[in-house]
Amino acid sequence: RKEVEQDPGPFNVPEGATVAFNCTYSNSASQSFFWYRQDCRKEPKLLMSVYSSGNEDGRFTAQLNRASQYISLLIRDSKLSDSATYLCVVYYTGTASKLTFGTGTRLQVTL
Amino acid sequence: GAGVSQSPSNKVTEKGKDVELRCDPISGHTALYWYRQSLGQGLEFLIYFQGNSAPDKSGLPSDRFSAERTGGSVSTLTIQRTQQEDSAVYLCASSLNGDNEQFFGPGTRLTVL
Repeated sequence: RKEVEQDPGPFNVPEGATVAFNCTYSNSASQSFFWYRQDCRKEPKLLMSVYSSGNEDGRFTAQLNRASQYISLLIRDSKLSDSATYLCVVYYTGTASKLTFGTGTRLQVTL
Repeated sequence: GAGVSQSPSNKVTEKGKDVELRCDPISGHTALYWYRQSLGQGLEFLIYFQGNSAPDKSGLPSDRFSAERTGGSVSTLTIQRTQQEDSAVYLCASSLNGDNEQFFGPGTRLTVL
């Protein structure tokens, strides 16, 4: 089983739609969680951190369910510019601390 | 301020040759990571440096791969006797500490003919 799993998509949605991505992680000792965004042929960039109580940043809402070991990202009122790959990222302290990236979920927003 | 820089941006080499990829992290960042990303694939962790600690090399795919970080700053990823399956984008990232936001460089696109 992969440490971090995501549906690769693609998710094709019209402008204005609401879309949600889920991500599951295998290590129950995971400590921190993030969503990164990667545009085509570009490097990943941090979109938002994910807090236990859930957090919102404009049209983006992230939630964490520790009991079920999954993280979600909700995008409301999708824009064409939201088209990208969204990477779920988990941090835990094992033999060495590092972030583990999921393979990403591709979103394509269309007119 | 300056972000993470990597050089070269593109590298084309022949099978069997050695290559060196360079990463300049953000000044003051103690953590440095190397990843590779094949076309259409996710990020594959290669190696992680944190301060003066021994690096986490658990992601290196074979002994042809090695990396150094001199003086806690610049890092070099070396691939010896390159193979066609080594073709990928090699991304470097740095963070203030091990659990902070990672800032990525633009990557080096390696093509092994």
